[in-house]
Parts: sequence; C-alpha cells; structure tokens
Amino acid sequence: DQQVKQNSPSLSVQEGRISILNCDYTNSMFDYFLWYKKYPAEGPTFLISISSIKDKNEDGRFTVFLNKSAKHLSLHIVPSQPGDSAVYFCAASASGTYKYIFGTGTRLKVLA
Amino acid sequence: NAGVMQNPRHLVRRRGQEARLRCSPMKGHSHVYWYRQLPEEGLKFMVYLQKENIIDESGMPKERFSAEFPKEGPSILRIQQVVRGDSAAYFCASSTTGRTHVGELFFGEGSRLTVL
Repeated sequence: DQQVKQNSPSLSVQEGRISILNCDYTNSMFDYFLWYKKYPAEGPTFLISISSIKDKNEDGRFTVFLNKSAKHLSLHIVPSQPGDSAVYFCAASASGTYKYIFGTGTRLKVLA
Repeated sequence: NAGVMQNPRHLVRRRGQEARLRCSPMKGHSHVYWYRQLPEEGLKFMVYLQKENIIDESGMPKERFSAEFPKEGPSILRIQQVVRGDSAAYFCASSTTGRTHVGELFFGEGSRLTVL
C-alpha cells in the first residue's frame, strides 16, 4: 500500500527552465511534507518542507505547493541548474507519529 | 560537527551469512531511524529507536532482522542468514526529536549490502 506516490520516475528539463516534480498521497492524516534530494552513492539531504496549514513554502529557487483537497504537492525549481540533477523524494508524516513515509522518487536530469 | 556515520559503506555476504550494519547518529541526536532502499524503489521505513528502546519496528521483516541502539555505541541493524532479496542500500537517519513536525531527518550515506 503505497501511501505516497511519485508517478513520474524520471524528468528531463533544459537548464534555466522550470522543473516541476509531483507527489500524491492517500492518507488524509498526513499534515507535514518534506522533499529530499539524493545524489548517487550518497544519502538523501533535506531540501524543503511544508506544513498543512500552508499551501506554499519558498526557499530560494525551490518552492513547494500543497493542495490538500487534491492530496497533491509539487516541488518547483526555477531556474533549473545541471547541479540539480538528482533523485527527488517526497515524504509525509502525520501529527503524533514519528516516521516519514517516502515516495519512490523522481530522477531529474537538467540538460545543459 | 560530524554527520550521521554509517559503516561499512559496502558489504558483501554469501547467502546464509550474517550482516551487521552500524550507525552513529549526529552529535546530540538520540533518535535513530533505519530505512531500506531496494533497487529502483523508494525508501522504506524499517525501525525507529531511541537509546535502549525500540519505539516502532513495524517496517522490519518478521524474521532474521533485528535492531538495537545501546546506551553506549552505535545503532546496529543485524540481518541473520541473509538471502539475495536482502541486497539493498540501508540508510540510517537521526534527529534531535522523534516528533516529525519539529525537525527533519539527517541521513547517513548508506550501507550497500550485496548478497551473493
């Protein structure tokens, strides 16, 4: 039972353009969401988070949007850079719990 | 301030042998999580531990897998009688608190287990 889904296994974007990575979840109890970036042979590193009391959170080139009614969140990277090429995981958790449920990841390739 | 340290980075075992993976959390972190990433899959939660306590092991296979986080020393994920399907990357993460909404998890670089 995959509670957090990233339906696009891969995405290619031209340098300088916008990258949009999508994530859907099924558990309505989830109220905190994070995005992690992972390079090959390295551990995931935290990128940005959003609480369900917000619908948008921005940090430099990275913006996360949350649509609670659709149980959908997206990560926007503008402008995309070759160094952004990595696997991106979204993760979700519910209040009172202590574990994050991760999606299967989307491999982003930014073309120079 | 060292990050989450995992060792070994790579481990090769033959079927039936035991695998021990170690994780030292970040300084000041007393909460440890283990996740497994099978080839072409996402990160699957295995277990959450605090010092000397297993808080949630709902993601652990029922047999052959165990985890501990002793009062002194690293957290250890132990896999007995390994099978080929155990081949995966095992990631340890730590945090200052077990409450997910307070802070993110800091991950180690992972231990890659290959079972021949």
